[in-house]
Amino acid sequence: EVQLLESGGGLVQPGVSLRLSCAASGFTFSTYAMSWVRQAPGKGLEWVSLISSSGGNIYYADSVKGRFTISRDNSKNTLYLQMNSLRAEDTAIYYCAKVPIAVAGKPHDYWGQGTLVTVSS
Amino acid sequence: DIQMTQSPSSLSASVGDTVTITCRASQNVNNYLNWYQHKPGKAPRLLIYAASNLQSGVPSGFSGSGSGTDFTLTISSLQPEDFATYYCQQSFSTPWTFGQGTKVEI
Repeated sequence: EVQLLESGGGLVQPGVSLRLSCAASGFTFSTYAMSWVRQAPGKGLEWVSLISSSGGNIYYADSVKGRFTISRDNSKNTLYLQMNSLRAEDTAIYYCAKVPIAVAGKPHDYWGQGTLVTVSS
Repeated sequence: DIQMTQSPSSLSASVGDTVTITCRASQNVNNYLNWYQHKPGKAPRLLIYAASNLQSGVPSGFSGSGSGTDFTLTISSLQPEDFATYYCQQSFSTPWTFGQGTKVEI
């Protein structure tokens, strides 16, 4: 059974950093791309970042480019999101999702339950 | 960036109804179009991938169609558990983008 478990969220002040983790199990983590998607309070889903299976290809939404860094440790089956210079508008539930790039449509086929990040003074 | 526009933003329907949600892309996304269901406090769930392919385990009452810029999600014989928000999402080019969502109220 595929499981994705996010952690690392919390209440932080504007300008500080936070690192999210996503522990994966139930599939061969090193062979799948992974994504981070967020949902701000009362808003819709927003794609944040994508990393290829090897980590060699990385993409970001414009809203986080230059502040967030996605990475992965395939030996630990773990995905990360380093978030720097956090702003109030980064307040959201952050989901990690598995992306089978070889599948038509490149969908997010499994999602974690999410971790809440609140940026407030 | 490719903009995804869903309509309607919300709708009310009765159990047993057939519901149709449309999604329009600002440019051609071929069939790189996916549909998700999201309930409060839950993980989003993939329903349809590549415009018309039913994800394993998803009831056959869900179906998708379309190509290019115009896509449709149809829910046949609406069930109480189908109360949720539905999103389309393009994976044709980065940044990947979601529609704004359609809230289905029973």
